[in-house]
Amino acid sequence: TQLLEQSPQFLSIQEGENLTVYCNSSSVFSSLQWYRQEPGEGPVLLVTVVTGGEVKKLKRLTFQFGDARKDSSLHITAAQPGDTGLYLCVGGKDGTASKLTFGTGTRLQVTL
Amino acid sequence: DTAVSQTPKYLVTQMGNDKSIKCEQNLGHDTMYWYKQDSKKFLKIMFSYNNKELIINETVPNRFSPKSPDKAHLNLHINSLELGDSAVYFCASSQVFYEQYFGPGTRLTVT
Repeated sequence: TQLLEQSPQFLSIQEGENLTVYCNSSSVFSSLQWYRQEPGEGPVLLVTVVTGGEVKKLKRLTFQFGDARKDSSLHITAAQPGDTGLYLCVGGKDGTASKLTFGTGTRLQVTL
Repeated sequence: DTAVSQTPKYLVTQMGNDKSIKCEQNLGHDTMYWYKQDSKKFLKIMFSYNNKELIINETVPNRFSPKSPDKAHLNLHINSLELGDSAVYFCASSQVFYEQYFGPGTRLTVT
């Protein structure tokens, strides 16, 4: 299984700060998903983007798919402790789940 | 109601033992999966079943055998457990392959 490179790997910030997580690959994907995984739980799907340049917002979270569909970013505005977790991007190619490419993960900690 | 459930949550066992993990989904999805997450949090797909038929079988030791009695259940049986099998195992289901719904995970520790 190939990996999508995420940066940064670790991020520790204070409540109220903004942050951006990047997900990069040399491959083109037909879809890209972002998941959040909290300690002791399974990943939870946050969003799917499928069109190059697409931007989706989920409350304080903004997701963007790169124009060439090779990369994506997740921006969090005014981070809160509840945003703490492991963020995973997953790239999909037409076909089956065997074509899913998993990101290396970004561990975010938001403190008071 | 829990969408994807797994039992047990924690499993501690000795090398050489055989163990099973059960998974059930009530989402009505056609496809179910088993993933392994290592200590570095990398997720790796192991198996996938679609309507009880095996469709993905990644490079996994044949000590691991999935079984799907119906499309709502996918169990994972592991024979002759080894230290390297220690990890968190996630069951997932999907209707669209790229949108996965994960269970809470089973933390397997082999001593």
